[in-house]
Amino acid sequence: DAGVTQSPTHLIKTRGQQVTLRCSPKSGHDTVSWYQQALGQGPQFIFQYYEEEERQRGNFPDRFSGHQFPNYSSELNVNALLLGDSALYLCASTLPGQGRYEQYFGPGTRLTVT
Amino acid sequence: DQQVKQNSPSLSVQEGRISILNCDYTNSMFDYFLWYKKYPAEGPTFLISISSIKDKNEDGRFTVFLNKSAKHLSLHIVPSQPGDSAVYFCAASARYGGSQGNLIFGKGTKLSVKP
Repeated sequence: DAGVTQSPTHLIKTRGQQVTLRCSPKSGHDTVSWYQQALGQGPQFIFQYYEEEERQRGNFPDRFSGHQFPNYSSELNVNALLLGDSALYLCASTLPGQGRYEQYFGPGTRLTVT
Repeated sequence: DQQVKQNSPSLSVQEGRISILNCDYTNSMFDYFLWYKKYPAEGPTFLISISSIKDKNEDGRFTVFLNKSAKHLSLHIVPSQPGDSAVYFCAASARYGGSQGNLIFGKGTKLSVKP
């Protein structure tokens, strides 16, 4: 059973550019969340997708947008990249409805903005 | 303002002894708590969770204790093994729109278990 997968593993972009990160959830999971983890910090919630709609959003600007596809996979898009966007971007999936709310994380995408 | 705090950035323990990692929270709406372990270059791995209706949950060598009145939880690892060396994150969530909301993480505690 494949876990959460993310692509690419690493990415280097220039300020002002746009980036798209991809995530495939764990088999059977229908909810996908995205987090940003800066160096020395815990992951910070960006947004969550369920049934192809953004269900909840953290304190991130509109430059951060996402999408969920019918097969539950998801994309995170960041426009007009800033140096401060350099971080590890984590995707997590959840199997709701069983009274347990663990989120299972992928390995992350390391984004470097120069 | 940090809603989930892990005040010890690091902890060093001898192999075979108990490791105790602590976490405090401020939001009384949190009703589900989780611990994750993270190795370098990997995503966080779920370890153990506890609902606010319980005060203890055990899974093998890992036990989580919840003290709601003190807004404090702790993770006990007994016995500690060198492979437990990693960064441990405490996370909390509250109900949101009929489901469970996003996770709020602490900054993590780096555990080193010495042979």
